[in-house]
Amino acid sequence: GQNIDQPTEMTATEGAIVQINCTYQTSGFNGLFWYQQHAGEAPTFLSYNVLDGLEEKGRFSSFLSRSKGYSYLLLKELQMKDSASYLCAVKLNTGFQKLVFGTGTRLLVSP
Amino acid sequence: SAVISQKPSRDICQRGTSLTIQCQVDSQVTMMFWYRQQPGQSLTLIATANQGSEATYESGFVIDKFPISRPNLTFSTLTVSNMSPEDSSIYLCSVEAGTGPYEQYFGPGTRLTVT
Repeated sequence: GQNIDQPTEMTATEGAIVQINCTYQTSGFNGLFWYQQHAGEAPTFLSYNVLDGLEEKGRFSSFLSRSKGYSYLLLKELQMKDSASYLCAVKLNTGFQKLVFGTGTRLLVSP
Repeated sequence: SAVISQKPSRDICQRGTSLTIQCQVDSQVTMMFWYRQQPGQSLTLIATANQGSEATYESGFVIDKFPISRPNLTFSTLTVSNMSPEDSSIYLCSVEAGTGPYEQYFGPGTRLTVT
């Protein structure tokens, strides 16, 4: 089976930095994606890691360690609009190379 | 990138009835995916739909309950059959597009409430 875990909920203050962790145990691996989903909206792509290391994209960075089955999403200079759910998803390298989503982390940014 | 539209955006249905959800993409894509997102939950893949072949269903989902059509490279439908309140969810259509890393793009979703 596939197992992808994230914390259920996190809170942070505007202007701060927050790190959302994701651990995975899957029957194949062809990359890890992070998506942002605002309430009532579709998920939107944030980042992709397939090799170990850090990928930086503006205020958002994502890190991957394949040997540890671990990733994190780092959000800097938090803004109120960053309040959303953050979904970690692993792309499998079998069959249709489908995405398996984690449980999702709801982030609440307060003033 | 890909722009995806879904119809209807929301519906309230009575138990025992069926609803067909349409998904339209603005470009030709090989694979389309249908997901379910139950209230407060993450996304669960229902099935993968390839044009010209039968859809491939994930464990726990069957064709009789969720028949899928894929008549061409830009369109697909998902039917939720013989609905019960447990089928109340958001149903999302998704496609893989781009030159790499082939990220998935999601439609706006169909919010279904079964009474």
